[in-house]
Amino acid sequence: DGGITQSPKYLFRKEGQNVTLSCEQNLNHDAMYWYRQDPGQGLRLIYYSQIVNDFQKGDIAEGYSVSREKKESFPLTVTSAQKNPTAFYLCASSRRTIPYEQYFGPGTRLTVT
Amino acid sequence: DQQVKQNSPSLSVQEGRISILNCDYTNSMFDYFLWYKKYPAEGPTFLISISSIKDKNEDGRFTVFLNKSAKHLSLHIVPSQPGDSAVYFCAASSLPGEKLTFGTGTRLTIIP
Repeated sequence: DGGITQSPKYLFRKEGQNVTLSCEQNLNHDAMYWYRQDPGQGLRLIYYSQIVNDFQKGDIAEGYSVSREKKESFPLTVTSAQKNPTAFYLCASSRRTIPYEQYFGPGTRLTVT
Repeated sequence: DQQVKQNSPSLSVQEGRISILNCDYTNSMFDYFLWYKKYPAEGPTFLISISSIKDKNEDGRFTVFLNKSAKHLSLHIVPSQPGDSAVYFCAASSLPGEKLTFGTGTRLTIIP
């Protein structure tokens, strides 16, 4: 069964700690993305990667970092510099050829207190 | 600056009737549009897409219409079913396969 996995589903951290969210896909997709969703808002792009060892900032990259060392994996680190880290984080992947739609993982809800 | 707008935060429709969800965009470079459905605490699920060379795309109960001159697209669901109750997001990109810009979503409630 192909798909995208994100772990854990719920994550709790103390303020000032860095935390890494996992995203793995076995769809053989080249491109991967990280989004954040806040209550009543749409999905905002944090970082994306269209090929291994390369990634670009999205609209709200400040306070986050990523790596793309393997095609299957695109971990997101929420650093202590992120002012409002509590949110629902979604990872997605897509082909760079037809069909182009992005497929999403189940999400990780991060709560920082 | 919200480049993709869904001006109706919520919509209620009777079961069996047509649901029409609207989306407007401001960036004339957008060329590829998608609709996603999302349940609470889950990832969005792809529904249907359309490229700017078309004005209509249909898949079962779902039809997307694109009016490029008005920078407007709509999703029609007919007939509406209780399982359609969810939040619907429209999204756009400049090229297929490029990063998406999402709207803020419309919560659709189907009334039995």
